[in-house]
This record gives sequence, C-alpha cells and structure tokens, in this order.
Amino acid sequence: AQSVTQLDSQVPVFEEAPVELRCNYSSSVSVYLFWYVQYPNQGLQLLLKYLSGSTLVESINGFEAEFNKSQTSFHLRKPSVHISDTAEYFCAVMGGSQGNLIFGKGTKLSVKP
Amino acid sequence: KAGVTQTPRYLIKTRGQQVTLSCSPISGHRSVSWYQQTPGQGLQFLFEYFSETQRNKGNFPGRFSGRQFSNSRSEMNVSTLELGDSALYLCASSFSFSSYNEQFFGPGTRLTVL
Repeated sequence: AQSVTQLDSQVPVFEEAPVELRCNYSSSVSVYLFWYVQYPNQGLQLLLKYLSGSTLVESINGFEAEFNKSQTSFHLRKPSVHISDTAEYFCAVMGGSQGNLIFGKGTKLSVKP
Repeated sequence: KAGVTQTPRYLIKTRGQQVTLSCSPISGHRSVSWYQQTPGQGLQFLFEYFSETQRNKGNFPGRFSGRQFSNSRSEMNVSTLELGDSALYLCASSFSFSSYNEQFFGPGTRLTVL
C-alpha cells in the first residue's frame, strides 16, 4: 500500500527566510509525486509534480521539489518566502493502476512579517 | 475554460438526514473523483467515476455513494448522516483515468452535520 508522511504539521517562518517542507512516501511501485497548496476556504491547487525525467521540478512562483528515490522523499523548498505563501501544503502520490491521489496530512506554512 | 464547480458550497444538515452534493467537471473531462477532507483524517479518497462507471473506491461505508451522468457531471450522496461526516468534500476532474492525467479540484462543499 502507498502512504505519504509529512513530517511537520506546522512550519512558522519569517518573511524572506528559506523554507523546506518535508515529505516522505512509501510505495512498492513507481509513483508520480505532487505538491498541492490550499488557501483558506478554497480547494486544492497543483503546485508542482514529478512524473519522470529530471528529479528537480519547479513551480512558477519560486517553489521547487526534488525527487529522491533512494530516500523516498519529495521535499518542497523555497529560498525566500512571502506573506502570500501562507497556506496549507499537501504532498501526494499516485501510482500503480490506481488513479486516485493519496495525500499526506498537510503542513501549515505560516509566514510572519 | 471554466473550472470545476461544486454546489452547494455550504450545507447544514442534522444527524440521520441524507445529502446530495453535485460536481460539474471541466468541459471535456470525463473522470471525476471525490475526496473527503477532515481535520483528523486529512484528505481521503472516496471514489472515482469515468464514463458513468465507478472505477475505483476508497475505504468508506456504504452510506457514501455516487454516480456520474452522461454529461460527466457527478453527484455523491451520503445517507443517514453522522456527526463525523462533517467535512469539506472536494471533487476533482481529469481528462481520463489512464496513465497520468492531472486532477483539477473544485472549491469544495462544506458539510456540517448537527
């Protein structure tokens, strides 16, 4: 069975500081990996995804994540965060013949001025 | 292109009642998935429909059911509501189910059971 572990439920950080949100997964098959962001009272928005190829993937708003197969990790990083990055971030996997996403518990990123 | 729409956005019901939630996928998308989001359990997969057929189902009791219409719109129904069914119900649509197809999420329906 596949599972996703997000190691931090809350991450407070000051504006312009770097941040890393950690995600580890477990799966016996090849997987696709995703990070979604959820702003208050909204649905999920895809932030970035790893399907194949380069293990480093980037989003348009400065986030990046690196797929590490040996450590079964897909950590999300941003070198300098903004107040507007305050949201909840979910790591997810999809793999095998199942088309559904399996989510981690989420990490609430709180950016303080 | 319009996004995924869900109606209603908010709903208040009492225990024992039943409820129907609706999801309209992005035009051209034929696959619809439903997820339940609660503070305790997080995001959990309910079921997936493609071409009016349930293709995949999560680990939820039979009180949770769904269906998909020929125009790809989907509904989910919860019967005999319990307090624990209070949650944000998210619908996601994708073009197909085969291989990888990006899922686009709607804003959700927040159900409160009193």
